[in-house]
Formats: sequence, structure tokens, C-alpha cells
Amino acid sequence: DTGVSQDPRHKITKRGQNVTFRCDPISEHNRLYWYRQTLGQGPEFLTYFQNEAQLEKSRLLSDRFSAERPKGSFSTLEIQRTEQGDSAMYLCASSSDREDVETQYFGPGTRLLVL
Amino acid sequence: GENVEQHPSTLSVQEGDSAVIKCTYSDSASNYFPWYKQELGKRPQLIIDIRSNVGEKKDQRIAVTLNKTAKHFSLHITETQPEDSAVYFCAWGGKSTFGDGTTLTVKP
Repeated sequence: DTGVSQDPRHKITKRGQNVTFRCDPISEHNRLYWYRQTLGQGPEFLTYFQNEAQLEKSRLLSDRFSAERPKGSFSTLEIQRTEQGDSAMYLCASSSDREDVETQYFGPGTRLLVL
Repeated sequence: GENVEQHPSTLSVQEGDSAVIKCTYSDSASNYFPWYKQELGKRPQLIIDIRSNVGEKKDQRIAVTLNKTAKHFSLHITETQPEDSAVYFCAWGGKSTFGDGTTLTVKP
């Protein structure tokens, strides 16, 4: 499978715990995006990277959230001190500025449940 | 700020009928307007997109129209089939701002 992959697919955690999600973009896609989607809503933009540089962060991304893409390939999204309101689907997407920079391909998502 | 409004929130049609979903955006900065289909529990999948240099684009039973003056764009699905049932999202811009979705139900 050469599409965007995410791990884990599901995560259940207790309030106050830290969680980390991983996204592997399509090979050679230099742009990577993180979104959050709650039930009945469209995906909400969180942050995006061009290569290893984090170019933009949404105001939705509180200081408990941090994202990295150290080598410009896979990315991690960490949530510290999780709250029940963090329960959502976390989606990753990638695109390439050598093809069509604006066409994003989504991963299957990581569904987080905070108890 | 960036905003996109999507209507209707739910749409039920009979198999074979057409379905139209409309989105209105607030900022003229972007030239890219994609539509995604999301089935229950699955990832959003791009089904069609349009750029501001054209007013209409068609791909088999799916078409998108763009009115930049009025700042709205619409998804048209003709000859609907039960497998078209899903949530459809419009989006705007490169770091996409998404609408809240339209749940389309196609009754056989």
C-alpha cells in the first residue's frame, strides 16, 4: 500500500495521559498536514509541514499539542495531559509541490477516545 | 477569517435523481476548491476539484460549478446510486478549510 498510513488506528487513554500518533505520508510527498475531525463535523486544520519545517499552526493547536517531522518524512503528533475534549479522529494528509500541490491525500485516521 | 458554509446538511433523494450541494466561501484568496466523499468510518476521498480559471468541471456523473463573483461552488451528482450515499465535504484552499458536510442518502 503506497498511500498515507497512520498508526495506531485506535487509541483509548485515560484523562491526563500523553499520547503520540504517527503519520507516514506518500513517498516523496513533501507537504504533510494534520487535521482533527469530530462527529458530524468536517476536518479542522491543525498544522502543516513543508519538508521538516512546520510552516503554520492553527489556533486550535493548544500548547498541549506538538507535532514534529524531523527528517521530512514521517510525522508525529503528541497530545500531553489529554482531556475528554480531545476525543476525535486525527487525520493526516500529504501532498507534493512537484505534482499538484493542493491535492491532498488522506490517511485512515487515528481515532482517540479519552476516558 | 476563512470560512465556508455548506448546504444542505442532509439530503435524501430517490435512486436515479440528481443531488446538488452548495458551498459559499468568504475569502477570495484561494483558487482551489475540492470536494471530498467520506463513507462511515473511512478517510475523506477527493472526488473532484476545480480551480478558479474554469467555471465548470465534469467527471462522469459528477460535476462542480464555480461562481467566483458570488463566491459559491456546487457539487452536482446525476443519476444517483445507493453507493453514492455518504457524507460530502466541500473545502477551500490549500490548507483546506472544510464545510460541515452534507449527509446524502440515496434511496433505492
